[in-house]
Amino acid sequence: KQEVTQIPAALSVPEGENLVLNCSFTDSAIYNLQWFRQDPGKGLTSLLLIQSSQREQTSGRLNASLDKSSGRSTLYIAASQPGDSATYLCAVRVISSGSARQLTFGSGTQLTVLP
Amino acid sequence: GEEVAQTPKHLVRGEGQKAKLYCAPIKGHSYVFWYQQVLKNEFKFLISFQNENVFDETGMPKERFSAKCLPNSPCSLEIQATKLEDSAVYFCASSQYRGRHEQYFGPGTRLTVT
Repeated sequence: KQEVTQIPAALSVPEGENLVLNCSFTDSAIYNLQWFRQDPGKGLTSLLLIQSSQREQTSGRLNASLDKSSGRSTLYIAASQPGDSATYLCAVRVISSGSARQLTFGSGTQLTVLP
Repeated sequence: GEEVAQTPKHLVRGEGQKAKLYCAPIKGHSYVFWYQQVLKNEFKFLISFQNENVFDETGMPKERFSAKCLPNSPCSLEIQATKLEDSAVYFCASSQYRGRHEQYFGPGTRLTVT
């Protein structure tokens, strides 16, 4: 059974810092990995999706990397801003004989960027 | 539409009452997923559909939960005889049949069982 872990659970940084959020998964047979952002009381916003064949994806100040063999992904946020404050969730879709497409989520990292 | 729509936004039910939640996937998306978020960040997969067919229901508590995706209608998730532990935010997501299979989430329905 796939398990996804995110470290740290919470992170507080001053504005302008670069930061890294970590995600690890136990089953390396994944189809893809998605990073989401969730604001309090809101839904999930998809930030980046990395296919299993890819090493990284970039969008603006965000860069996500994937090391499938070691079961790890990182989300790098450059020049953090108070508006980046949110919970960041990592989710993987496994490859299975039944072609299951659902995501398995980590428990998230709650990020606070202080002005 | 271009976004996953969920209604209602909030739903309050007394224990033992029925609750019905609705989801309209993004137009052209073939897959619909229901997830339950409890205890802040714990997401549990419930069920998925490929068009109107159940694709995977391994996460569904079958005795009280049911779901449908009928043609030309919003998908629905129904909970018969709600229990206190059903209190959660229920998210719907959709994805395309082809391509990157990226899942797009709706804003969720917060169910409170009192």
